[in-house]
Amino acid sequence: EVQLVESGGGLVQPGGSLRLSCAASGFSFSTYWMSWVRQAPGKGLECVANIGHDGSDKYYVDSVRGRFTISRDNAKNSLFLQMDSLRVDDTAVYYCATQLRSASGNFWGQGTLVTVSS
Amino acid sequence: DVVLTQSPLSLPVTLGQPASISCSSSQSLVHSDGNTYLSWFQQRPGQSPRRLIYKVSNRDSGVPDRFSGSGSGTDFTLKISRVEAEDVGVYSCKQETHWPFTFGPGTKVDIK
Repeated sequence: EVQLVESGGGLVQPGGSLRLSCAASGFSFSTYWMSWVRQAPGKGLECVANIGHDGSDKYYVDSVRGRFTISRDNAKNSLFLQMDSLRVDDTAVYYCATQLRSASGNFWGQGTLVTVSS
Repeated sequence: DVVLTQSPLSLPVTLGQPASISCSSSQSLVHSDGNTYLSWFQQRPGQSPRRLIYKVSNRDSGVPDRFSGSGSGTDFTLKISRVEAEDVGVYSCKQETHWPFTFGPGTKVDIK
C-alpha cells in the first residue's frame, strides 16, 4: 500500500523556521519526482516546490524561493521542506505528493498544518 | 505564471444527472515534447486531493469511467456522466506544462 506521511507542522511565530518531513512507503520512491503542495485555509492548491529523482533538480514558486529548501533522502525514502523566515501568509496545510504528470501514479499524503502567527 | 480559470465555481447537481466543469488557461498548455499536461483533481470534504485525470483525458487507476476529460490548447472540460453522492467535493484543474505548476480556483460540486 502506498503511503506518504507528513510530519513537522505546528505553530510558529513570523520569522521562525520549521522543517517538514514526508515518509514514503509502498512504491519506488527514488524513481519519482516529488512535490510539496500547500492549501491555505479555505483556499485553493498551490505548488510550492518540486524535486527531481536524485535531488539535483529543484524548482520553487517565487513566493518561497530563497526561504524554503526542498530536499530528499532516497536511502530513507524521505522528503523534506526546510521553511525559514516564515510569514503569516505561509499558513496552510502542506501536502507531499508524487509528481508524475505523464502516467498513473499520483499519490498524496494526509497533510500537515503549519500556522504562522504571533 | 499560467492562470487557470474555472467555471462554474459552484455547481449544484441532481443525482444521476451529468455535470460539466470548464477550465481555461491564460496560455497554451502544449509542452515542447508535444504533450498537454492538464490534469483534474477531486478533493472530498476533509480529504487530501486525488487526481482523476492526467494529460487531458487519461483516467488514473481506480477512477470510475463516469469521469472523462477533454480539450486542447487552452480550453479543457471535465465531465461526470452521472453524478453520485460520493462525487461531492471540489474539483480543480492543474497545469504541469509551465513552471510554476498552477491549479485552478476549484469548482464546488454539491447535490441539489
